[in-house]
Amino acid sequence: AQSVTQLGSHVSVSEGALVLLRCNYSSSVPPYLFWYVQYPNQGLQLLLKYTTGATLVKGINGFEAEFKKSETSFHLTKPSAHMSDAAEYFCAVSDQGLTGGGNKLTFGTGTQLKVEL
Amino acid sequence: DVKVTQSSRYLVKRTGEKVFLECVQDMDHENMFWYRQDPGLGLRLIYFSYDVKMKEKGDIPEGYSVSREKKERFSLILESASTNQTSMYLCASSSFTGTYSYNEQFFGPGTRLTVL
Repeated sequence: AQSVTQLGSHVSVSEGALVLLRCNYSSSVPPYLFWYVQYPNQGLQLLLKYTTGATLVKGINGFEAEFKKSETSFHLTKPSAHMSDAAEYFCAVSDQGLTGGGNKLTFGTGTQLKVEL
Repeated sequence: DVKVTQSSRYLVKRTGEKVFLECVQDMDHENMFWYRQDPGLGLRLIYFSYDVKMKEKGDIPEGYSVSREKKERFSLILESASTNQTSMYLCASSSFTGTYSYNEQFFGPGTRLTVL
């Protein structure tokens, strides 16, 4: 069974500082990995995804993540935090070969990002 | 603009009531999902459907059922609501473009259900 671990349920950074949100996965097959963001009182929105190819993936709002197979990690980074980045972030890993082809996701428990002045 | 809508943002029900949560997507997606979100537990899959009238259990199906009579609509049913079903419920959909396609799931805004 696959799983995702997000280290740190709460992360606080100063505006302009580096954002680093950690995600480690466990999967018996090559994983497909996603980062989603949830702003208050909203659903989840895709930030970026890794399927195949380049291991450094760029997403929306200046975020990027690097797939490191040797470390089973897919950490999310942003060079300079903005107040508008305050949200909850979820890492997810996808099943393969699901009945009917649907991609079932297994989510981590989430990291709440706080950005301070 | 793609859209997944949920029938209610907030819902308050009493223990033992039958509860229907409705989800509609306008993207002609094959796959639809119901999750519940609880603090510290992330999102957990309740049921999903990859075609009309097809459904499969997710990780926590107990106490829930689903219905998909039309491609665009996926309903979550709590046959007899209990207080431990108080939660945020999120619906999502995704397209199917072939086996091993890992397409983005689009989420609705969620329904916050309180069972008293």
